[in-house]
Amino acid sequence: IQLTQSPSSLSASIGDRVTLTCRASQGINDYLAWYQQKPGKAPKLLIYRASTLQSGVPSRFSGSGSGTDFTLTISSLQPEDFATYYCQQLNSYPSFGGGTKVEIK
Amino acid sequence: EVQLLESGGVLVQPGGSLRLSCAASGFTFYNYAMSWVRQAPGKGLEWVSTIHGSDGTTYYADTVKGRFSISRDNSKDTLYLQMNDVRAEDTAVYYCGRTATVAGIDYWGPGTLVTVSS
Repeated sequence: IQLTQSPSSLSASIGDRVTLTCRASQGINDYLAWYQQKPGKAPKLLIYRASTLQSGVPSRFSGSGSGTDFTLTISSLQPEDFATYYCQQLNSYPSFGGGTKVEIK
Repeated sequence: EVQLLESGGVLVQPGGSLRLSCAASGFTFYNYAMSWVRQAPGKGLEWVSTIHGSDGTTYYADTVKGRFSISRDNSKDTLYLQMNDVRAEDTAVYYCGRTATVAGIDYWGPGTLVTVSS
């Protein structure tokens, strides 16, 4: 199963509402996770089962979607949110999307 | 506190072999599936392999199937990745992660770098 993330990068300002998209090549129910990765660090799980917030993750992060189309929304971008975000499907043999890099405008 | 620590990353020649280890602590190891995920320099994440906790069922990405072997020693709380016939494209940081089968990888190690070069 192929995952396509869009955009591949975006520039945004502190306080902006940001929406990232992940599209699966076939239906994956809600077996989708989102990760945040900062340079030189391991990824961090943000969302699982498409919309469940991982413990300790700020509530400004939210996920939605089912089937083939999913979104990750950051309601008000904070300085620590500038990073690369990856989606991962777990419906079959796992795979990751190519990532979206969120940069400072 | 859950902790994972990879080791074994080295510079290895093409066609060579190495074994990565991941020492786990802070949770009941045999209750969890474990995975290896890699990241080539400047590239995205690639799932490599997963092993279930109790029955040891294994899964591999097509890119490593037949060359890599995942295993675990539940008595030592340690995960392994045996890498044989390595290629230049296997050069990456290798992460181990505690895996909930349909809920993703909730804990990750800091990674270990494998470089395949002559």
